[in-house]
Amino acid sequence: EVQLVESGGIVAQPGGSLRLSCVASGFVFDDYAIHWVRQVPGKGLEWVSLISWDGVTTHYADSVKGRFIISRDNSKNSLYLEMNNLRAEDTALYYCAKDGKWAATSFYMDVWGRGTTVIVSS
Amino acid sequence: DTMLTQSPGTLSLSPGERATLSCRASQSVRSSSLAWYQQKPGQAPRLLIFDASRRATGVPDRFSGGGSETDFTLTINRLEPEDFAVYYCQQYDTFPTFGQGTKLEIK
Repeated sequence: EVQLVESGGIVAQPGGSLRLSCVASGFVFDDYAIHWVRQVPGKGLEWVSLISWDGVTTHYADSVKGRFIISRDNSKNSLYLEMNNLRAEDTALYYCAKDGKWAATSFYMDVWGRGTTVIVSS
Repeated sequence: DTMLTQSPGTLSLSPGERATLSCRASQSVRSSSLAWYQQKPGQAPRLLIFDASRRATGVPDRFSGGGSETDFTLTINRLEPEDFAVYYCQQYDTFPTFGQGTKLEIK
């Protein structure tokens, strides 16, 4: 079964830092780009970041550029999101999601994890 | 950024009826780079349609997508009880953006 499991979400202070993790199973992890997408409870979806299958290429939404860093360790089937200088508006459920295209990047997401919650509050 | 506007905000229908959901883009979405997702309460989104009209693996054929450029539709024929959920469109011609969602509720 193809599965993504996120972890690392907690309550953090404004200006603080946090690292989210996502562990993949059931597919060849290093064949696919992976995304982070977030959702404020009861609201819509916002794409956050992407990393290519080989980790060479990364992209970020303007709202997080310069503050968040996406990375991956293909030897551990793991994806990470380092979140710095946190703001109240970063409060959301963070999903990792597998890109839909093999060995390329399509920018649609065909498998999603269940998410991990980040709350930024003093 | 390409903005996506979904309509209606809420759609009230009965099982067995047909649902037609709309997604309008603020600029042309090249190569039909549009996807549809279904999200039920407490669950992650599920990919239904990609490339505007291609069904994802395991998606029943009562779901169909269509449209091009700035106007796209998701049609669900013969609604089943499990189809009542929130539906999002997403474009990926440029960095991904999502519509605000359409809630499909039981009438």
